[in-house]
Amino acid sequence: DTGVSQDPRHKITKRGQNVTFRCDPISEHNRLYWYRQTLGQGPEFLTYFQNEAQLEKSRLLSDRFSAERPKGSFSTLEIQRTEQGDSAMYLCASSPPFPYQETQYFGPGTRLLVL
Amino acid sequence: AQKVTQAQTEISVVEKEDVTLDCVYETRDTTYYLFWYKQPPSGELVFLIRRNSFDEQNEISGRYSWNFQKSTSSFNFTITASQVVDSAVYFCALSEAGSGGGADGLTFGKGTHLIIQP
Repeated sequence: DTGVSQDPRHKITKRGQNVTFRCDPISEHNRLYWYRQTLGQGPEFLTYFQNEAQLEKSRLLSDRFSAERPKGSFSTLEIQRTEQGDSAMYLCASSPPFPYQETQYFGPGTRLLVL
Repeated sequence: AQKVTQAQTEISVVEKEDVTLDCVYETRDTTYYLFWYKQPPSGELVFLIRRNSFDEQNEISGRYSWNFQKSTSSFNFTITASQVVDSAVYFCALSEAGSGGGADGLTFGKGTHLIIQP
């Protein structure tokens, strides 16, 4: 049984460039979450999907951040016009259907460095 | 607003000692969930335990045990006979039951860095 996978694992980009990260949830998990983790802090919730519906996006950090899950399977997180402050670990998690939907399983993360 | 406080930034003990990691939470909801996750140096968050607000029974799993006390809004985690492999950052997290009938995003504490010395 494979876990949550994320690609790429590391990304180095120059300020002003756009970046896109991919997350593949655990099979049959209908909820998918994105978090950001900066050094020395706990993960910070950004957004989540139930199937293809984005049910919460008010916590996205700015309008430069957007996420999609077009067919209810994998998801992408895009950051436009990256800034040095976007450097962080971006974590994806998924959770199973009811009645265990509150337990989130995390992927290995994508570490972003903006130069 | 919900909040999780892990006051211990770093704890260092010698192998085989017992160690307790503290977690205090704040929420206005009556239905909520509490979690502990382990983050080893590799970076991946590993789920350890989930507790819902209606279940105050303490739980033991091998060398791990958890003490949930609603009266003090605490959900503490104890490792008995610690081992070097237990070295990691441990996060406590809280989730309130969402309006959609399920849990939404987790609110994490800042984590406790546990160092087990041989």
